[in-house]
Amino acid sequence: RKEVEQDPGPFNVPEGATVAFNCTYSNSASQSFFWYRQDCRKEPKLLMSVYSSGNEDGRFTAQLNRASQYISLLIRDSKLSDSATYLCVVNKDNYGGSQGNLIFGKGTKLSVKP
Amino acid sequence: GAVVSQHPSRVICKSGTSVKIECRSLDFQATTMFWYRQFPKQSLMLMATSNEGSKATYEQGVEKDKFLINHASLTLSTLTVTSAHPEDSSFYICSASRSAAYNSPLHFGNGTRLTVT
Repeated sequence: RKEVEQDPGPFNVPEGATVAFNCTYSNSASQSFFWYRQDCRKEPKLLMSVYSSGNEDGRFTAQLNRASQYISLLIRDSKLSDSATYLCVVNKDNYGGSQGNLIFGKGTKLSVKP
Repeated sequence: GAVVSQHPSRVICKSGTSVKIECRSLDFQATTMFWYRQFPKQSLMLMATSNEGSKATYEQGVEKDKFLINHASLTLSTLTVTSAHPEDSSFYICSASRSAAYNSPLHFGNGTRLTVT
């Protein structure tokens, strides 16, 4: 299994649709999980951290399943501005104090159409 | 607003020349900054960890003599691509975090798109 694996997409959805992205990770010792979004030819920007209990931020919901080593991101009521590549990010191990141990997935591309 | 600034955003240079990229934390001190590289349609790959006042830590396969890193102050790290070649053409991004906690998210600079002709 790759360290962080994502479906590359693209996901082409109409405005208003609900779309879900999945991500699997290989290291069961990983402790930190994030979703970043990256617009074309731009730097990644943090979308949300992912907590064990699941967390929601407006139209975005992130969930973590440690047993299955699986992370998800759900986007409700998609907007045109949601079009981007969504990166699943996992820390490599359970070392404290070193964000450099982050592993980035290749990303899932989302295209929201009018 | 941006918390990490990177400059230049784009550079085109001839093969054999050196290019310096600056990364600044704008409203916090960063003892550690990270340099990534991203090729088209690929994931970000960590190149090195820049440590203020000490030597950078390079990832396996990254040549330290080719990618010189200097972290002279708590708000500035520089990456110099020496004797650049076309295969060095890539998107270089720096990042830093406000906190050293392992679950503290990274803030990225706006990236530098390097094209070596």
